[in-house]
Amino acid sequence: GDSVTQMEGPVTLSEEAFLTINCTYTATGYPSLFWYVQYPGEGLQLLLKATKADDKGSNKGFEATYRKETTSFHLEKGSVQVSDSAVYFCALSGPAGGTSYGKLTFGQGTILTVHP
Amino acid sequence: EAGVAQSPRYKIIEKRQSVAFWCNPISGHATLYWYQQILGQGPKLLIQFQNNGVVDDSQLPKDRFSAERLKGVDSTLKIQPAKLEDSAVYLCASSFTSAETQYFGPGTRLLVL
Repeated sequence: GDSVTQMEGPVTLSEEAFLTINCTYTATGYPSLFWYVQYPGEGLQLLLKATKADDKGSNKGFEATYRKETTSFHLEKGSVQVSDSAVYFCALSGPAGGTSYGKLTFGQGTILTVHP
Repeated sequence: EAGVAQSPRYKIIEKRQSVAFWCNPISGHATLYWYQQILGQGPKLLIQFQNNGVVDDSQLPKDRFSAERLKGVDSTLKIQPAKLEDSAVYLCASSFTSAETQYFGPGTRLLVL
């Protein structure tokens, strides 16, 4: 079945550092890929998404590129801020017509802490 | 636009008791999901509704969990009887259709003692 693997956490960075959170997936066909973020005390929010190979999703300075050849969707940000401290989840939804279409499969989450 | 509403936000019960969670999706959203998020893990889909019909409940432990969405709007998830391993955050999400972005509520944190 579908699965998502995120890099082991937590990740601790200083403000303005470069961020990479690795995400790889296992799925048949061409799933849609997502990054969700969960700020302290809040619900999950969609950060960005990509629906086909080589697409780049971007939002709030974060970027991730859908790499079919490496089955990856790594999250990057060039300069993190204290306000980026949160839990980040990589997720996939199966391709249209498949049994997992519209259903999200999540990774285990990566806790990011950014210090001033 | 109002987001997905859930209540209660927190619940503490003893094992073998019953508990119910309520979710009101974003207005106009036909698809509604319930997820279980155990501490340190990503959310896991329990059940998906399309209007008032169940699309997928393959991951729902049906011996103790039940869910309904009678009028195709708000939904209730029930656990009876609760076990210690049911301690988790229960998330409700909705989307306009199953192909669209899912929007999540704040969740209900359940502790079973």
